[in-house]
Amino acid sequence: GENVEQHPSTLSVQEGDSAVIKCTYSDSASNYFPWYKQELGKGPQLIIDIRSNVGEKKDQRIAVTLNKTAKHFSLHITETQPEDSAVYFCAAFMFSGGYNKLIFGAGTRLAVHP
Amino acid sequence: DGGITQSPKYLFRKEGQNVTLSCEQNLNHDAMYWYRQDPGQGLRLIYYSQIVNDFQKGDIAEGYSVSREKKESFPLTVTSAQKNPTAFYLCASSMGPAGLVGGYLSSYNEQFFGPGTRLTVL
Repeated sequence: GENVEQHPSTLSVQEGDSAVIKCTYSDSASNYFPWYKQELGKGPQLIIDIRSNVGEKKDQRIAVTLNKTAKHFSLHITETQPEDSAVYFCAAFMFSGGYNKLIFGAGTRLAVHP
Repeated sequence: DGGITQSPKYLFRKEGQNVTLSCEQNLNHDAMYWYRQDPGQGLRLIYYSQIVNDFQKGDIAEGYSVSREKKESFPLTVTSAQKNPTAFYLCASSMGPAGLVGGYLSSYNEQFFGPGTRLTVL
């Protein structure tokens, strides 16, 4: 079936370093790719998204890049801070199982150490 | 404040009991969703509703039921038929149906999540 693979599953960085999380997707027709941040015991919060008509999008310290040919997209966090510590999920919007839906990656636990 | 609320935050259930999880939104969103989250896994879709009085099964609907009698409410019932119900349950909503509009992907597909309900079966 259709799926989204996310790597790494855990990521540990020093405060001020950059963090990169990568996702690959299976359906070449996918055209919407959101990223969510989930803090402990809370629901996921949308932090940035990208559509297939652009290759890169930035919002302050966060950027997302998309390579449709290779079917992968990445989240880049620069100048990381301890409050960036959370689980990050990528997702791809695709037609699967008879309907349109978001398929989520398994998540990346990011730890930013002071 | 506009948003999505879920209650209760923690729920304990004995085996063989049905329980209902509440989800309410005041964002005037048409579409609502229920996801299940297990440790180390991504979110999996249980049920979704694109409009009032209509809902469809997601990938893991067995053992669950829903209703959508009001636009702002989408309760999920975990029945005794669900063999492994212990999990974190997330409700979400989006402005419009999860699909293409006029051949183009609309901005309606942005999904916003509630704070979740952690269900534990004793």
